[in-house]
Amino acid sequence: SAVISQKPSRDICQRGTSLTIQCQVDSQVTMMFWYRQQPGQSLTLIATANQGSEATYESGFVIDKFPISRPNLTFSTLTVSNMSPEDSSIYLCSGRWTDTQYFGPGTRLTVL
Amino acid sequence: GENVEQHPSTLSVQEGDSAVIKCTYSDSASNYFPWYKQELGKRPQLIIDIRSNVGEKKDQRIAVTLNKTAKHFSLHITETQPEDSAVYFCAPNTGTASKLTFGTGTRLQVTL
Repeated sequence: SAVISQKPSRDICQRGTSLTIQCQVDSQVTMMFWYRQQPGQSLTLIATANQGSEATYESGFVIDKFPISRPNLTFSTLTVSNMSPEDSSIYLCSGRWTDTQYFGPGTRLTVL
Repeated sequence: GENVEQHPSTLSVQEGDSAVIKCTYSDSASNYFPWYKQELGKRPQLIIDIRSNVGEKKDQRIAVTLNKTAKHFSLHITETQPEDSAVYFCAPNTGTASKLTFGTGTRLQVTL
């Protein structure tokens, strides 16, 4: 299976600040995604990270709040901007190879 | 978009018993049907998948069955073990270029 790494693995941040999460995959993927998972909940898709162009956001998520970059096929970043306690969650990067989708270990974010 | 429901939301079985989780979807174009397992504090991991041209697939103690007409597919775990305790998610989709919409999840508890 593919190897996907994320950093940081966890962070505690102050309200109003921003955090950038990095995702690296070990081989070329067809698609990359960012998800959010609240404790005890399912995974919610934030956006599809498109190489060299703007990400495609799902309903309820906007670029100003969650800017995403994907400069090449194997790397992407998600920024959580102007954070509030409601942004406390686990953020997961995901990569897709044909039909199969794999996940990074997640970044546990706590906003105080 | 895809409407996905999972039942039951929680399931408790005794070690050695069987467990069945059902996933119902709305998009008749769905043709790829994976199941993910997420242990506490870990990333979701693909455990089995099936494509629309197949009615059943088995891998040791786990199997997936598909009923395309009724638009549901099920995860079957036989001879359950404590390490099967986890949250299971279905994610029906239309294949390579599509995004995954996850079900609400089923928490399986295997008791001794």
